[in-house]
Amino acid sequence: EAQVTQNPRYLITVTGKKLTVTCSQNMNHEYMSWYRQDPGLGLRQIYYSMNVEVTDKGDVPEGYKVSRKEKRNFPLILESPSPNQTSLYFCASSLTGQNNSPLHFGNGTRLTVT
Amino acid sequence: AQKITQTQPGMFVQEKEAVTLDCTYDTSDPSYGLFWYKQPSSGEMIFLIYQGSYDQQNATEGRYSLNFQKARKSANLVISASQLGDSAMYFCAMKSFQKLVFGTGTRLLVSP
Repeated sequence: EAQVTQNPRYLITVTGKKLTVTCSQNMNHEYMSWYRQDPGLGLRQIYYSMNVEVTDKGDVPEGYKVSRKEKRNFPLILESPSPNQTSLYFCASSLTGQNNSPLHFGNGTRLTVT
Repeated sequence: AQKITQTQPGMFVQEKEAVTLDCTYDTSDPSYGLFWYKQPSSGEMIFLIYQGSYDQQNATEGRYSLNFQKARKSANLVISASQLGDSAMYFCAMKSFQKLVFGTGTRLLVSP
């Protein structure tokens, strides 16, 4: 089944403890992206990647890192999480970065930082 | 700057009736894509429909249609014959300059 898989679905951690949220897609998509969703703010892009070894900042990149060493994987790294990073995170991918290519989303990761 | 505006925080509709969810956008990119996504209470994001900026005809996908008015920069979603399962958050999004930007969403409640 074609899908975007994120893990974990739920994560509770403490301030400053490094964590990684994994994202993998099996559709051979070139474009991958991370979003955070907060009430009243919709979804905001954190980072995106047009292809392997190519990553760019989105609208809210501070406090996050990403890497794209392989086409299928695009992990999101929080080196030193803070409570304001408590949010619902989505990974998404599309066939290309072209404007007519819809994004397919993972099921989300709900992160709580205490 | 790219921007999507959804002015309706919430909408109510009775089952079997049609409903229109509003969306306006702004971008300087002449080539852009407009998307609608549905987010049920379970949290996943479901792609519904796509409209390209150069498309002459309005997009349709089953009970979903997109009322695209380029001069007004609007891309309203029309859901015909609403069903109880349509109750969800709906997000309008625009892809331009290789970035996808979302609106703040409209919560739709369908009553029996």
